[in-house]
Formats: sequence, C-alpha cells, structure tokens
Amino acid sequence: NAGVTQTPKFQVLKTGQSMTLQCAQDMNHNSMYWYRQDPGMGLRLIYYSASEGTTDKGEVPNGYNVSRLNKREFSLRLESAAPSQTSVYFCASSVRGLAGTQPGNEQFFGPGTRLTVL
Amino acid sequence: DAKTTQPPSMDCAEGRAANLPCNHSTISGNEYVYWYRQIHSQGPQYIIHGLKNNETNEMASLIITEDRKSSTLILPHATLRDTAVYYCIAVRYGGSQGNLIFGKGTKLSVKP
Repeated sequence: NAGVTQTPKFQVLKTGQSMTLQCAQDMNHNSMYWYRQDPGMGLRLIYYSASEGTTDKGEVPNGYNVSRLNKREFSLRLESAAPSQTSVYFCASSVRGLAGTQPGNEQFFGPGTRLTVL
Repeated sequence: DAKTTQPPSMDCAEGRAANLPCNHSTISGNEYVYWYRQIHSQGPQYIIHGLKNNETNEMASLIITEDRKSSTLILPHATLRDTAVYYCIAVRYGGSQGNLIFGKGTKLSVKP
C-alpha cells in the first residue's frame, strides 16, 4: 500500500496563476482532509470531506476549492494564487471522521506539497 | 475542543526514555487525547490515543492522570530518529465533524 500520495511535491507559481494539488489514498478511507502548514506554525485545516460526495470548510478555506472526485481522490484547487498561499500543503485520510462515536480514527498524512507563490 | 499546553522544547539522551508532558485541564468527558509527531519536512504521523486508561503500542505509552487533566507520552528508548515535533491534541467525538487542531507542539531533540 502506498498510503496517501500527493502530487506534485514542489511547485512554484506566479501570482494569479491557478493550479490543482492532487491527493489519493489506497486505504479505502471514507474521510479526507487538506491542511496547510506555515513556518513555525501548526497545521490548519482548509477543507475536509467526511465521505464521498460531501465537502465542508475548515478553518482557512478562503482562496481554495476542493473536489472529492471519488472515494480515493481529493483535490485542492487554487484559482488565483497569492503570495499568502505560499505554504506546505498536506493531505490526510481516516477511516471515519469525528462525527461518529467510535474513536480510533487516526489520520494518515501524505508527504506534502511545497508551494511557493511569487 | 479542550486546549492543550506543551513545553516548546525538550532534550533527551539516546537510549533513554523520553517523557513528554501535556496539560489539558479543561478536557471534557468525551474528549480523547491523541498524540502525533512530525519529523522534519514530513507529514504528521499518528502515535497513540487514549481516553482514561493508560495505553501502549509498539511506538509509545500514554499515561493519563486519574483526573484526566494531564498526560505523558513515553518513548521508552529514544533514538535519533525520534527527533521531531510532538503534538498533543484533545479530540471530541460526536456532533460536528470537527478536525484535529494542531498547536505548536514540543520539539524533542534526541542527542547521542
């Protein structure tokens, strides 16, 4: 199993350009997440998908859109990149989200995409 | 979700036990304590979680005080590869989806 994979690993954009970050998991997980991490800070949730066909905003959704393409894939799109979106982006997945009553829903993270917007 | 407080940094000698404390004095009865770590430049990695009983797995042990206001993550024989930032997170189940709220964690440096 590859776990959670992300493409690309690195990307440099100019202000105003658009791009899509891809994420896929092969663990048959129901829930998927996109986080960003800025230098010296913890991770902040951008969007999540509790199950196939649903998406919800997290803590910092402005400037981003997401698509849960199928159970395996969850993409993050920057329509018009800004320097403030320079960050490391992590995708994660879990068997279930936190809405249920069963614990043990640890999140598995991908290796990250390092994005620089000039 | 309850706020957690961790020391910003700790050192540990290789081969010794690393004891990482976490304060969560406002934790409620349905909140679990989760630990993750992030090795430099990598995605976070799940370590262990617990509610009120002590827990152990192949990576670590989690000791939760009886009043649940604090916990300690124990790496029994720290190696250089355990150098990482360790995050203690209180997670509430039920209700809305929620998410993991990562604070700044504890930067553990394992030294030879």
